Amino acid sequence: QVQLKESGPGLVQPSQTLSLTCTVSGFSLMDYSVHWVRQPPGKGLEWMGRMKYDGDTYYNSALKSRLSISRDTSKSQVFLKMNSLQTEDTAIYYCTRGTEIVMPTGFDYWGQGVMVTVSS
Amino acid sequence: DTVLTQSPALAVSPGERVTISCRASESVSTLMHWYQQKPGQQPTLLIYLASNLESGVPARFSGSGSGTDFTLTIDPVEADDTATYYCQQSWNDPWTFGGGTKLELK
Repeated sequence: QVQLKESGPGLVQPSQTLSLTCTVSGFSLMDYSVHWVRQPPGKGLEWMGRMKYDGDTYYNSALKSRLSISRDTSKSQVFLKMNSLQTEDTAIYYCTRGTEIVMPTGFDYWGQGVMVTVSS
Repeated sequence: DTVLTQSPALAVSPGERVTISCRASESVSTLMHWYQQKPGQQPTLLIYLASNLESGVPARFSGSGSGTDFTLTIDPVEADDTATYYCQQSWNDPWTFGGGTKLELK
């Protein structure tokens, strides 16, 4: 069955770099896109960026200068790296699957999310 | 970037019909999707491409709209529908979410 699972540190110091991994199973990264979405405590969802099935990447305009998404198809993993973290980056970070080969049809599977706190 | 505007909150009684709106700052064709998020859980897809019901979602949920104005309808509303509902567009890059509408039951 389709699964996505985020992993990474729960605590990051201000100004440091966040590195998260999304490990997927039940589908191929060459057939589906994987997106990163975050949610600060008590707030709404923010789309961060995506790794398309064809290897292209797209980023949220506000995060573009700090964010990088990559993948290892042989390990079925998608990676998020974001630098210069501040307290406002404290959030639950989700990875989610998107279908795009014909047209984007929404995010049909989500990981459980990983809580990342930025604090010294 | 395409801004999606939703009303912050709604309160309805069980058994009623509720419509949740989402307005886009520019056309997104029909590439609009709706999600439900309950406290402490990840979002789940309800409606994709404006009006298509995701597999396993009750037929009480429906979606409509195109261009800049979209609606999610729940009819009839049940107690279990207490949640926050988000719209999301995938027509224009970067993709964006609405701010969410919190649905409370009276």
